[in-house]
Amino acid sequence: GAVVSQHPSWVICKSGTSVKIECRSLDFQATTMFWYRQFPKQSLMLMATSNEGSKATYEQGVEKDKFLINHASLTLSTLTVTSAHPEDSSFYICSAFRTGKETQYFGPGTRLLVL
Amino acid sequence: AQKITQTQPGMFVQEKEAVTLDCTYDTSDPSYGLFWYKQPSSGEMIFLIYQGSYDQQNATEGRYSLNFQKARKSANLVISASQLGDSAMYFCAMREEGTGNQFYFGTGTSLTVIP
Repeated sequence: GAVVSQHPSWVICKSGTSVKIECRSLDFQATTMFWYRQFPKQSLMLMATSNEGSKATYEQGVEKDKFLINHASLTLSTLTVTSAHPEDSSFYICSAFRTGKETQYFGPGTRLLVL
Repeated sequence: AQKITQTQPGMFVQEKEAVTLDCTYDTSDPSYGLFWYKQPSSGEMIFLIYQGSYDQQNATEGRYSLNFQKARKSANLVISASQLGDSAMYFCAMREEGTGNQFYFGTGTSLTVIP
């Protein structure tokens, strides 16, 4: 199967700090990765599309300066929540698109709590 | 218009019975893929099954089958012989060939399996 890891799984931080979340595709290369945000009892909300070697494409309403995305290699994308505030508290989940399978495989998600 | 519509916010099924989760989609792209994901309370999104728009036969994966009715633009998930571990949120998703690797997700159906 296709395995995507995400680290950390839980993070609690103080308001104003920055948090970095890593997403790795462990057994396949992914030129495209996605970052989602999910509120309780709701569907996934796409934040941005991360393409290896190029700038991420952000969805409307998502602040690119607040949510920094880097896709430096074919197996790693990172999301940095800069100057986090309590309203940034959420479940963040990444996925990697596997060409050939034409399917997104998801990481286990990161629960962020900003105090 | 919504790309993916899931009209059942919540469903209950008796253990060992079969259950159908509804999904309708809207696209004018002749080439697309339909997906179902399971999200247990842990939060991870688990890929279940895929159906391509040109596939002649309905997709099956173990106890999961996809009832693909192209003319009606529906892609219902059928879970046979329900187990307690099937209790989770289920999301239907679509990828259109013309819009790259982005997926459109439905609002989800919460399935509860009753012992």
